[in-house]
Amino acid sequence: GESVGLHLPTLSVQEGDNSIINCAYSNSASDYFIWYKQESGKGPQFIIDIRSNMDKRQGQRVTVLLNKTVKHLSLQIAATQPGDSAVYFCAENILNAGKSTFGDGTTLTVKP
Amino acid sequence: NAGVTQTPKFQVLKTGQSMTLQCAQDMNHNSMYWYRQDPGMGLRLIYYSASEGTTDKGEVPNGYNVSRLNKREFSLRLESAAPSQTSVYFCASSEVAGGKRTGELFFGEGSRLTVL
Repeated sequence: GESVGLHLPTLSVQEGDNSIINCAYSNSASDYFIWYKQESGKGPQFIIDIRSNMDKRQGQRVTVLLNKTVKHLSLQIAATQPGDSAVYFCAENILNAGKSTFGDGTTLTVKP
Repeated sequence: NAGVTQTPKFQVLKTGQSMTLQCAQDMNHNSMYWYRQDPGMGLRLIYYSASEGTTDKGEVPNGYNVSRLNKREFSLRLESAAPSQTSVYFCASSEVAGGKRTGELFFGEGSRLTVL
């Protein structure tokens, strides 16, 4: 069977390594997903999004993967840098429903 | 372009006191939201306003009231504060594009509230 990445509340990586942050969502009707980054003392900021008609989307150093079969989302950060240290949240949405539901968040720590 | 502005940034209240958190956005967004974030947890929706003149309850509305004063401003009121309302409160807004909400939220910096 297919393995699904576990959601971990904390993740520690070495600078330069790749990071993978996992998220399980709950509503099979959700059709739009967003990853947010929250730095200490600040509000969450948009990183990347993906719609349910896609299974992969790439940004500058980030990639989001969507597996609707198992309701799983992952964020991959390439060549992780100290500035990537933050809490990362996934959010599931139904477009036009006007509400986002957030996951618990993963704290990423990048060691120099 | 300030984005979403929240005031105050910090507040300490005694149990039973009331206060209002203010939020304003300058992005001409139709939808605005209030979330609370407790230590080590994600954000939980308190109330939202899909458009000017409408408000709806979110996941955790008890103990709060809101007012959508105009398109720019959305306030959150605690009528009788309780220690369980100690939290960080975030206001957010979202864009409507082509008649459909895109879903991306733009957040303020947060208001840190302590109720003793």
